[in-house]
Amino acid sequence: GAVVSQHPSRVICKSGTSVKIECRSLDFQATTMFWYRQFPKKSLMLMATSNEGSKATYEQGVEKDKFLINHASLTLSTLTVTSAHPEDSSFYICSARDQGRANTEAFFGQGTRLTVV
Amino acid sequence: SQELEQSPQSLIVQEGKNLTINCTSSKTLYGLYWYKQKYGEGLIFLMMLQKGGEEKSHEKITAKLDEKKQQSSLHITASQPSHAGIYLCGAPHGDMRFGAGTRLTVKP
Repeated sequence: GAVVSQHPSRVICKSGTSVKIECRSLDFQATTMFWYRQFPKKSLMLMATSNEGSKATYEQGVEKDKFLINHASLTLSTLTVTSAHPEDSSFYICSARDQGRANTEAFFGQGTRLTVV
Repeated sequence: SQELEQSPQSLIVQEGKNLTINCTSSKTLYGLYWYKQKYGEGLIFLMMLQKGGEEKSHEKITAKLDEKKQQSSLHITASQPSHAGIYLCGAPHGDMRFGAGTRLTVKP
């Protein structure tokens, strides 16, 4: 089945540094990928929609300059948390759909637990 | 935008008991997905419903979408500790948005 690989699964960084998270569709192409954030005991909050070859679409309240998204190819989207602060600590997860197959579920990466110290 | 409300927010049941989780949409659904998650891990796809009145089952889990396509229910029969986790309903409409989730605890 379709697989989405997310890397790293865990990362600890110092305040003020930047962290890049990768999301790859392994056996299908995805012109669109989605980035979510999840707080403890909360549901997934859509942060942005990543569009291959164009600018990402951010949800209201999500800082574009804080969470940089790049979707340079049909199989890779990256989320960079810039100048990270402890409040950015969270669980981040990406998803993608197989554009070649209609009416299929979205496939999710395994998530990245970010801890900013 | 599509708003999904899930109920209950949390549920604690004794092993062997049946339970139902509901997902209600503010708009007509073009499809409805059910996922299971343990916090800090990825999502596990359970079922996808598209047609009004559709019902699907997998092992001891049954999901239904009502005729008006605005409400879905997830029913677990004879719950087991392995069913514990967060159940999320999601609606695809370009992006995928989720309900707030239902945290299920199954006591042995």
